[in-house]
Amino acid sequence: LAKTTQPISMDSYEGQEVNITCSHNNIATNDYITWYQQFPSQGPRFIIQGYKTKVTNEVASLFIPADRKSSTLSLPRVSLSDTAVYYCLVGPAGGYNKLIFGAGTRLAVHP
Amino acid sequence: GAVVSQHPSRVICKSGTSVKIECRSLDFQATTMFWYRQFPKKSLMLMATSNEGSKATYEQGVEKDKFLINHASLTLSTLTVTSAHPEDSSFYICSARPRDRTNSGNTIYFGEGSWLTVV
Repeated sequence: LAKTTQPISMDSYEGQEVNITCSHNNIATNDYITWYQQFPSQGPRFIIQGYKTKVTNEVASLFIPADRKSSTLSLPRVSLSDTAVYYCLVGPAGGYNKLIFGAGTRLAVHP
Repeated sequence: GAVVSQHPSRVICKSGTSVKIECRSLDFQATTMFWYRQFPKKSLMLMATSNEGSKATYEQGVEKDKFLINHASLTLSTLTVTSAHPEDSSFYICSARPRDRTNSGNTIYFGEGSWLTVV
């Protein structure tokens, strides 16, 4: 599986837009990019998944440049409840054999 | 979205005893389930991959005789920590991959996690 690199931590304030970038230089042609959110003492929760360009759902947007060597998770107008750890994972379509988590990005949203 | 349930959410056991954690996919069939452990403020560490009806595949460094994994049906996998010791205290999380996948990649769903404390 392609290795990913994310910032260890980020700080933001309520109402701001937060962009978390993930580097995956060795992404393969059939790899998808998936982001998960994890609150303390809970399992990770699926946020968004994409292959190229832009994907948007009710929670977030995912921007993927043409070379796909990075991706950016965008959280619009964050609130205190968005304080969590965000993980970027990359794996082949049709089934990850296994999901290996990196360190993730610890986002702290302040009042 | 798909729901994966773990039970118990918290368990305390005495050192030397065994404890079982269940992972169920409630509204889908899962051909593959994964077990992770997570220490405070650390990332998830994959322990093993279990496929329905076959033996689990353990990650390097994980003792298969200590962490017994059974995936007897398409909706249930169990992790048994045998002869538990205080250092086995951790947050254990399972995840499941749906048998029927969408065309938008491969989403895997996670359980709520189970806290194990060995005293």
